[in-house]
Amino acid sequence: RKEVEQDPGPFNVPEGATVAFNCTYSNSASQSFFWYRQDCRKEPKLLMSVYSSGNEDGRFTAQLNRASQYISLLIRDSKLSDSATYLCVVNVYNYGQNFVFGPGTRLSVLP
Amino acid sequence: DVKVTQSSRYLVKRTGEKVFLECVQDMDHENMFWYRQDPGLGLRLIYFSYDVKMKEKGDIPEGYSVSREKKERFSLILESASTNQTSMYLCASRLVAGSPLHFGNGTRLTVT
Repeated sequence: RKEVEQDPGPFNVPEGATVAFNCTYSNSASQSFFWYRQDCRKEPKLLMSVYSSGNEDGRFTAQLNRASQYISLLIRDSKLSDSATYLCVVNVYNYGQNFVFGPGTRLSVLP
Repeated sequence: DVKVTQSSRYLVKRTGEKVFLECVQDMDHENMFWYRQDPGLGLRLIYFSYDVKMKEKGDIPEGYSVSREKKERFSLILESASTNQTSMYLCASRLVAGSPLHFGNGTRLTVT
């Protein structure tokens, strides 16, 4: 079983749609959680950290459920510029405090 | 904003050459990392460094070495480049354990 799993995608949605990404992690020693976006042939860029209480940044909302080992990202009112691959990233305490990356879910927002 | 700068965006090298990839960060971050990213394989950790002169092997260190003589600079060395090292190389840094990674804009290396 992979340590971090994400929806396989791709997701093709019309502009203005709401889209939800799901992520599960297997290592209960995971401590910190992040969503990154990566445009084609570019580096990953931090979208947001994910906190236990849930957090929101404009159109983006992230949720964490430690009991279920599940993380989500919701994008409301999607824009063409949201088209990218979304990576779920987990910082694992007993892995040298290092990061495990999900395979990513590709999103295409269509006009 | 954190800035992580990689010395080259694109590199083409020949098999057997020694290759140096340089990375500099300007935010006094403790930890620095080198990853490679390949289609279908995602990001894989090559080496990381918690502090100056410290280095730890990641998941795929074979064929690579690193150097961290100054806090802001972390170099990746391909001792004798091979075609299977053709890849996108990403440097990243973070302030401390638990904080997020900040990536450089990557070096796309082709070994012919």
